[in-house]
This record gives sequence, structure tokens and C-alpha cells, in this order.
Amino acid sequence: KAGVTQTPRYLIKTRGQQVTLSCSPISGHRSVSWYQQTPGQGLQFLFEYFSETQRNKGNFPGRFSGRQFSNSRSEMNVSTLELGDSALYLCASSQDEGPDTQYFGPGTRLTVL
Amino acid sequence: AQSVTQLGSHVSVSEGALVLLRCNYSSSVPPYLFWYVQYPNQGLQLLLKYTSAATLVKGINGFEAEFKKSETSFHLTKPSAHMSDAAEYFCAVIYSGGGADGLTFGKGTHLIIQP
Repeated sequence: KAGVTQTPRYLIKTRGQQVTLSCSPISGHRSVSWYQQTPGQGLQFLFEYFSETQRNKGNFPGRFSGRQFSNSRSEMNVSTLELGDSALYLCASSQDEGPDTQYFGPGTRLTVL
Repeated sequence: AQSVTQLGSHVSVSEGALVLLRCNYSSSVPPYLFWYVQYPNQGLQLLLKYTSAATLVKGINGFEAEFKKSETSFHLTKPSAHMSDAAEYFCAVIYSGGGADGLTFGKGTHLIIQP
């Protein structure tokens, strides 16, 4: 099976812009979770989607949002970008929601100038 | 609330020596525990997981970890280090009652292999 894919791999934006990142889960997986990785804060949970519904959400401002489509593909959006949003954004998929094993994609490296 | 502490942000071992990466967790309910490895400019790769079956868990690339409830630990070991093991290692926990906070990760341990 193909693994989790994320597009684009690299992205450069300026402050105030918005960005959309895409994630395609492993075939048959219905849950997609998003994480932010920064040198200072480490890996932090953003949100989880299952069957097109947001199940859980981490402690991030409302500028961070996401959605999941009927084919389980997911997108996350960050509006009004800030310098501190520069990070590696990782998507993970699992067969079911909750404590099921999560498999990660290669990530999208976002740089905000 | 769940949390993970990884002792040692950097661990250096000689090639062929024992690798020991420490992880302690805090969880109010039985946890599911994971070790992931991250190579530069890549995502996270699952090494192994504990889901309340056997307490000694064997993973890929010769790694294993032992769940010790009394010590709230889930340390990762490998008998003989190889140069290709140099990477960042993350311990993570999610509690069996649900995933309200997703995976909670430790800060990571950078493993350095000396030739």
C-alpha cells in the first residue's frame, strides 16, 4: 500500500497570507490527524478528523482549521499567517479514530517570511 | 492529562554498543505507548507500540521496549548500535479511553552514533 502523502512538501508564504495543506491517507484509513512540529514546542496535536467530522482539537487558535472529504483526504488551512507558524506540518492516518496506530506522512515544511 | 518525559535530549553511543533511550509517561488511565523515529527532512516512522498485550515489545530494526507499569516507563533499547540508527527518537502516548488530545509526544532524543 502507498503511504501517507502530503502536498506540497515545501511552501514559503508571507505574513498575513493564508495557506492550505493537503494530506492523502493510506488506503482504507478513515482517520486523519494533523501535528505541528517546531524546534521550540516540539510535536503538538492540531486536530483529528474521522468520517468527515472533527473529533478532537488541540490547543491552537481558530486560524487553524481543517476538513476531511468523503474519500478521507484531508486539508488544513491556516489564515492570517504569523512568523511563528513556520513549522513542519505532519499528517498521520489510522484505520480508526482514537488510540489506533498512526502512520505519518513526510510533512509539509512551511516558512513564513 | 497525559504527558511524556524523555530523559536526555542527546545520547551518544559507540557503534556496536547498547542503545538505551529513556521514556517515562504519565497517564490516569491505561496508556497506549509508541516509539517513532525521524530521519532528517522526513516524517515519523513507527518503530514499535505497546497496547496492553505483552510487556516486552519488539519492533523494527532490532529495537525493543519494555513496559513497566510500576515505574511508568517505556524505555527503548537495541543491543548493538549501527551507524544508520543515528536519528531523532520520539516516545508518544495516547490513552486507551480515547484520543482527545491526539498523540502526546516527548521532546525527542537525538541519537548520535560514534564510529
